[in-house]
Amino acid sequence: GQQLNQSPQSMFIQEGEDVSMNCTSSSIFNTWLWYKQEPGEGPVLLIALYKAGELTSNGRLTAQFGITRKDSFLNISASIPSDVGIYFCAGQEGGNFNKFYFGSGTKLNVKP
Amino acid sequence: DAGVIQSPRHEVTEMGQEVTLRCKPISGHNSLFWYRQTMMRGLELLIYFNNNVPIDDSGMPEDRFSAKMPNASFSTLKIQPSEPRDSAVYFCASNPHGVTDTQYFGPGTRLTVL
Repeated sequence: GQQLNQSPQSMFIQEGEDVSMNCTSSSIFNTWLWYKQEPGEGPVLLIALYKAGELTSNGRLTAQFGITRKDSFLNISASIPSDVGIYFCAGQEGGNFNKFYFGSGTKLNVKP
Repeated sequence: DAGVIQSPRHEVTEMGQEVTLRCKPISGHNSLFWYRQTMMRGLELLIYFNNNVPIDDSGMPEDRFSAKMPNASFSTLKIQPSEPRDSAVYFCASNPHGVTDTQYFGPGTRLTVL
């Protein structure tokens, strides 16, 4: 079946540092999504990507849809304590009614 | 927009009891997904519907699990009988499903089976 590898599994950083995480898939995706989940809440959509090479920003967050269509990256600049949470990538293959595959998540810890 | 609504937010029950989880998708969204999240297995897709029709239920773990979507604004996930290993957070998500697919998650139902 589809394999979606997300790395790193966890990160411990100092406030103000930049963060980078990525996801790779075993097949080509047409859509990449990035979510953030805080304790006791559902995942919240941060950024959606629909074209290979697309680079999209949302405040201090920037995500890119890889040229090969098998990977995606999320960068957070100048991290702050409220960035703490688990970040998930999700990808969708082409075609109708296709489900999304989720990565295992990157747990981000930010030390003030 | 109210977002995806799930109820109850927390459910504690005893092994063998029937559990029903409820979801109201975002108005106008025509795809609905049920997920289960645990520490060990992460986020698992159980079943999803498009226009109220089940498209893929291959993730439903056992016959004890069933899901229905009687109309565009309501879905249920039922576990009968429940077992301790069913303890998890269950999420519902909806998708407008069009040229640009995406998914919006509800707040989840935390289920504990004793």
